[in-house]
Parts: sequence; C-alpha cells; structure tokens
Amino acid sequence: EAGVAQSPRYKIIEKRQSVAFWCNPISGHATLYWYQQILGQGPKLLIQFQNNGVVDDSQLPKDRFSAERLKGVDSTLKIQPAKLEDSAVYLCASSLSSGVTGELFFGEGSRLTVL
Amino acid sequence: AQSVTQPDIHITVSEGASLELRCNYSYGATPYLFWYVQSPGQGLQLLLKYFSGDTLVQGIKGFEAEFKRSQSSFNLRKPSVHWSDAAEYFCAVGARYTGNQFYFGTGTSLTVIP
Repeated sequence: EAGVAQSPRYKIIEKRQSVAFWCNPISGHATLYWYQQILGQGPKLLIQFQNNGVVDDSQLPKDRFSAERLKGVDSTLKIQPAKLEDSAVYLCASSLSSGVTGELFFGEGSRLTVL
Repeated sequence: AQSVTQPDIHITVSEGASLELRCNYSYGATPYLFWYVQSPGQGLQLLLKYFSGDTLVQGIKGFEAEFKRSQSSFNLRKPSVHWSDAAEYFCAVGARYTGNQFYFGTGTSLTVIP
C-alpha cells in the first residue's frame, strides 16, 4: 500500500516569495491534515479536511497561508508571502477516521527554509 | 486547555539498556493517548495508542506504555533498546471533546550508544 506522498521534500526561498506544497494521501482516506513542525517543537495543526471540506482551520494564518483539497483527494498548501518564521517542516497526514481514534499516517514532510 | 508535556528533550542510552520516555498530559476528560516515532528523514509512525481498558498497552517494535490517570502520565518503555531505536519520539493526546484535534508534545530525541 502506498503511503502519503509529499513534494517537494526541500524548498529554499527568500522572504516575501511564495511556495506551494503538495500532498497525496493514502487511497480511501477521507481525512487529511496539514501540520507545521518548527525545529524543536511538536507538530502543530494548520488545517484539517474531511473529503474536500474544511473541518478545522482555526490555527491557519489566513493572511498568508491557504490550502485546498479539490475533489477530496490531493491537497496543496500555499504560503504567500513567506516570512522567516515560516521556516519549518510541513507534514501532511491522512486518516480513515475523522475523529481522534484513528491512526494518522504521515508523509515524509516538506522542509521549508526562508532566507 | 489541552497540552502534552515531554520533560526530556534528549535522552542517551546504551544499546541493550532499558528505556523510559516520559509524557504528561492535561485534558479535562479521559484522553485518547498516542506515541509516535519519527526516524531521521521520515514521517511519524504510530507506535501504540490507548483509549480505554487495560492501562498497559503493547505496541510495535517491542514498545509498551502505561496509562496512569492519577499522575496524568503515559510513559513509553522498552526493556532493551536497539541502535535502530534512535529517533524522535512524540506523545500525543486526541481531544475528542474539544475540536477532535491531536495535540503533540515537543518530542524526546533518543540517542543510542553502541
């Protein structure tokens, strides 16, 4: 079974530039999450999708971050314009369950460095 | 508010020695508890989880964890550590009554000395 795929694995940009990350969840997983993991910290939820609808985006900095999950499968996370503090690993995870009983399956992450 | 505390930022153990990683949580109801492991360059992988019942749960790779309600703890243990266990370990709480979110601790980095 294929795992969660993310790309690109690494990205270096200048501040105020834009960047987009892509995620393809495990087939059949209706729930998709984007987490931000800053060095030395645990993953922090940015946004949760159930199929193509947003369940929770309360911690997404909407002035610069956006995410979509068209057709309820792939998802993209965009940052525009990027700030220095956005340097982090962006993790995508998927789950069969929409609640907190299900196992999260994580991709390898996309490491962003903002200079 | 929900929170997870992992007091140990970094732990070093010798191969073959026992291991205990600490996790304390703050949550207003019976929590769903998880331990995930993140090997270098890889995504997080579920080691084990606790929802209810027996407070000692077994996971993959020889790990176990014990839920202690009185201490609000969910410590991870392994009787004999292997070099391949070197990784970052994250404790997480599933907050089913407050937004159905997962809250992760800051992680404990494990180094294994040959």
